[in-house]
Amino acid sequence: AQSVTQLDSQVPVFEEAPVELRCNYSSSVSVYLFWYVQYPNQGLQLLLKYLSGSTLVKGINGFEAEFNKSQTSFHLRKPSVHISDTAEYFCAVRTTGNQFYFGTGTSLTVIP
Amino acid sequence: IAGITQAPTSQILAAGRRMTLRCTQDMRHNAMYWYRQDLGLGLRLIHYSNTAGTTGKGEVPDGYSVSRANTDDFPLTLASAVPSQTSVYFCASSDGTGNPAFFGQGTRLTVV
Repeated sequence: AQSVTQLDSQVPVFEEAPVELRCNYSSSVSVYLFWYVQYPNQGLQLLLKYLSGSTLVKGINGFEAEFNKSQTSFHLRKPSVHISDTAEYFCAVRTTGNQFYFGTGTSLTVIP
Repeated sequence: IAGITQAPTSQILAAGRRMTLRCTQDMRHNAMYWYRQDLGLGLRLIHYSNTAGTTGKGEVPDGYSVSRANTDDFPLTLASAVPSQTSVYFCASSDGTGNPAFFGQGTRLTVV
């Protein structure tokens, strides 16, 4: 069975500090991995994706993530956060059956 | 229309009533999905369709049905709504090639 685990439900961080949002996936799933962001009362927007190739992928708004096959992780990072980064972040996997499964989300709060 | 359109944006529904949530996409994507989003549970897949004429069950299909008569439309029906179906519902689509899913803006449904 496929599963995605986001280890932190809430992450508070001060403005301009670095942040890491953690995501682990079960080894049985396809290694197509994604991070999405959801701002209040909106739908989900793609931040970045890993399909193949370089294990370090860069996305929008200065975010990046590293695919680590041995640790089955796909952690999201940003070296310096802004107030506007306050949002819900979801890690997702795409299975070989073309279904997308999501983690439970991490609420990032940037403190002025 | 640009992307995915969901209707209605919100609805209050009496328990026991039938309700259809509409979803239309104009990207000619083969695959479409319905998710429900609940606090602390993230997004859970209800039903999916990999191509017109086919559908499949996701993680939480009970109480819901879908149809895929054509590429563009993927309605979700609640035959007899119950309060536990109070949620925010998201429709999504993908081209099925490993690219990410694109999301609509959601339908907020309250069953009373």
